[in-house]
Amino acid sequence: GESVGLHLPTLSVQEGDNSIINCAYSNSASDYFIWYKQESGKGPQFIIDIRSNMDKRQGQRVTVLLNKTVKHLSLQIAATQPGDSAVYFCAEVTSNAGGTSYGKLTFGQGTILTVHP
Amino acid sequence: EADIYQTPRYLVIGTGKKITLECSQTMGHDKMYWYQQDPGMELHLIHYSYGVNSTEKGDLSSESTVSRIRTEHFPLTLESARPSHTSQYLCASSAFKEFNSPLHFGNGTRLTVT
Repeated sequence: GESVGLHLPTLSVQEGDNSIINCAYSNSASDYFIWYKQESGKGPQFIIDIRSNMDKRQGQRVTVLLNKTVKHLSLQIAATQPGDSAVYFCAEVTSNAGGTSYGKLTFGQGTILTVHP
Repeated sequence: EADIYQTPRYLVIGTGKKITLECSQTMGHDKMYWYQQDPGMELHLIHYSYGVNSTEKGDLSSESTVSRIRTEHFPLTLESARPSHTSQYLCASSAFKEFNSPLHFGNGTRLTVT
């Protein structure tokens, strides 16, 4: 079936470095992608999203890149801080034929980001 | 900071008991969802709702049931808990009128059935 997966289950970086978390998706019809951050004991927290008509979107210290040709999504975190340590999930949404979406997200397994001071 | 609330945060209960996990949101969102998540694993959709009196089953088969009598409230009920129901349950909501709006999650209920 369709799935969203992450290349690396764990990522360790030094404080101040840039982090890149990758995600592969298999449904070429997906048109909306979201990155979530989940800290221990908490629910997923929205970080940034991107629609399929875009290749890149920037937020505060984060950038999401979308490559539809190879169905790949990445999250770049600039100047990574210890507070960025968490599990990061990418998720995809596929709209129905009417152009609306009930917001059904398909999640990947998650990448554990550890930031060392 | 959270506008979506789940209670209880932790629940340990014996096999065969009936339980209800509460979820409320104050954002006026039409769409609400329940996800199940095992530690370190991805989230699986078990129920969702478009609005009042609307409930649908998600991708992952679940023995739980939900109701949506009020916009802000989306409780999940297990009539007879079993050890296989041990998991974390996450409630979420999103604005229906916004095309592809992100989900806002609560902090979850960690359920342990002994």
